[in-house]
Amino acid sequence: DQQVKQNSPSLSVQEGRISILNCDYTNSMFDYFLWYKKYPAEGPTFLISISSIKDKNEDGRFTVFLNKSAKHLSLHIVPSQPGDSAVYFCAASLIGSNYKLTFGKGTLLTVNP
Amino acid sequence: GAGVSQSPSNKVTEKGKDVELRCDPISGHTALYWYRQSLGQGLEFLIYFQGNSAPDKSGLPSDRFSAERTGGSVSTLTIQRTQQEDSAVYLCASSLNRGDNEQFFGPGTRLTVL
Repeated sequence: DQQVKQNSPSLSVQEGRISILNCDYTNSMFDYFLWYKKYPAEGPTFLISISSIKDKNEDGRFTVFLNKSAKHLSLHIVPSQPGDSAVYFCAASLIGSNYKLTFGKGTLLTVNP
Repeated sequence: GAGVSQSPSNKVTEKGKDVELRCDPISGHTALYWYRQSLGQGLEFLIYFQGNSAPDKSGLPSDRFSAERTGGSVSTLTIQRTQQEDSAVYLCASSLNRGDNEQFFGPGTRLTVL
């Protein structure tokens, strides 16, 4: 049973536009959420995170929004750049087990020049 | 500084053979994690080390899987009597402390069991 779901396997956007990556979760005990970016043949790299006590966190071009009532989070990238093309993973951790990340299957973002 | 390194980068083995995968975490990181990513799936937690002890082995799929960590540094994941369903990318990560949510990942070892 998948507790973190990324329902879009892929997303294609034009350079300069906004990229919106979505993630849904089922376990209400998740209290911390992260986004990782992965290039081919490399390990995932941490991008941005948000605690369940917040509904928004911003870092440069990247903003994560959390809607706890809908058990939904999203990553916004503005403006999108070709170098942002990668697989993006949503991950979550449980209260008291913050070392164990539960990942979604990932969304392949392609930013076209 | 150096990141997390893993070896080998690729491993092809025959069904029934044992394999050892190695992880060198970032120097000074006390926490170490193993995950695996099967084709088309997300990363799946296997085991977590704090220092040399493993408080959580709950993700290991079967007793054919084991891991150890020595000197609070290098870790080895061993798979005995490999099966075709063990084919996956095995990823190691480390973090400065247990409470750190940001885990730094290595490039992974791609294991193929024929």
